[in-house]
Amino acid sequence: DAGVIQSPRHEVTEMGQEVTLRCKPISGHNSLFWYRQTMMRGLELLIYFNNNVPIDDSGMPEDRFSAKMPNASFSTLKIQPSEPRDSAVYFCASSLSGAGTGELFFGEGSRLTVL
Amino acid sequence: GENVEQHPSTLSVQEGDSAVIKCTYSDSASNYFPWYKQELGKGPQLIIDIRSNVGEKKDQRIAVTLNKTAKHFSLHITETQPEDSAVYFCAAGGRGQNFVFGPGTRLSVLP
Repeated sequence: DAGVIQSPRHEVTEMGQEVTLRCKPISGHNSLFWYRQTMMRGLELLIYFNNNVPIDDSGMPEDRFSAKMPNASFSTLKIQPSEPRDSAVYFCASSLSGAGTGELFFGEGSRLTVL
Repeated sequence: GENVEQHPSTLSVQEGDSAVIKCTYSDSASNYFPWYKQELGKGPQLIIDIRSNVGEKKDQRIAVTLNKTAKHFSLHITETQPEDSAVYFCAAGGRGQNFVFGPGTRLSVLP
């Protein structure tokens, strides 16, 4: 298996632009997580899907952030409009288990820079 | 909610020495404690985990200990090698409760 696949690996954009990050989880995994990593705040959970349904989105910073999982093999995280403080590495992870009970398999991340 | 602290934030050891990283958690309902290793430019990867019904677990040069009463758990790496250099994260979780990660420890193994 290729593991969790994220795209793009790097994104540089200007403030106000829309950003879409994409994730393909490991086949057969029923849980998907979006994390944000910064030096200041570490690894923060943004949103958690189980069986394609958003279960916990309490970590989504504000209405500018939205996430979808239209099917078991694809998820997107969208930021509109983007701001410089959104600059971070965004990780997608998938798991066979539900929240907090088993191994998370992380993708290699999408490094976002908002100028 | 859960709060996970991790110490030290940076750790340098000589190759062949041992390294110990300590974490504390606040929520007594947490019952699963994984450790992740993150190499530069990569996503975190699970290296070992422990559940609350076990006090210690070992996997070759890596071991984890858990003290439920004191709410702390530790990662022990023996005979460190340069490839052990990375950032290590502890986490606490439980059924229905998403993981809370510690802030990370940057380990440098000096040749």
